[in-house]
Amino acid sequence: NAGVTQTPKFRILKIGQSMTLQCTQDMNHNYMYWYRQDPGMGLKLIYYSVGAGITDKGEVPNGYNVSRSTTEDFPLRLELAAPSQTSVYFCASSYFASGGTPDTQYFGPGTRLTVL
Amino acid sequence: AQKITQTQPGMFVQEKEAVTLDCTYDTSDQSYGLFWYKQPSSGEMIFLIYQGSYDEQNATEGRYSLNFQKARKSANLVISASQLGDSAMYFCAMREVLLTGRRALTFGSGTRLQVQP
Repeated sequence: NAGVTQTPKFRILKIGQSMTLQCTQDMNHNYMYWYRQDPGMGLKLIYYSVGAGITDKGEVPNGYNVSRSTTEDFPLRLELAAPSQTSVYFCASSYFASGGTPDTQYFGPGTRLTVL
Repeated sequence: AQKITQTQPGMFVQEKEAVTLDCTYDTSDQSYGLFWYKQPSSGEMIFLIYQGSYDEQNATEGRYSLNFQKARKSANLVISASQLGDSAMYFCAMREVLLTGRRALTFGSGTRLQVQP
């Protein structure tokens, strides 16, 4: 199993450009998440999904959009990039079932994004 | 109020010694989970250990143990016999279940551990 994969690893955008960060998991997890990590800080939740076709906002959703058409994929779209979106972006996934084992989140390697 | 507080921005420990990284949390939920993650300089987030709020025993995973004191709302990570490869940022995180059904993690600000030879 590859676990959670993210592409690209690095990207530089100009202000106003758009891009999509890709995330794929092969663990058949139902939950998927996008976090951002600003320098010297912990991670903050952008969006999450509890299954294909179902997404919801986290703490810091402004400037981002997501979709989840399959169990495996959870892309994050940045529209009109701004310098405040310079950050490291992590995708994660977990499996939750009532009464089941802990829904530990497993993270991808991250995408380092710079907006100039 | 901060949901997860890690009061030690940086810690030093000698190789082969034990070290405790502090974490306190704030929640009114009865059911929650506490996690520790390691982030080495390469940047990935590595899951270390989990403690459920109803677990009576402290969790252990190899050299990692979680000192869970529910009444004090603390969930300290203990690393025994430190190794040079333990040098990294360590994040404490809490998973609550919100009314929306959201099960995401709230992270602390992290503790940077440096293991000295």
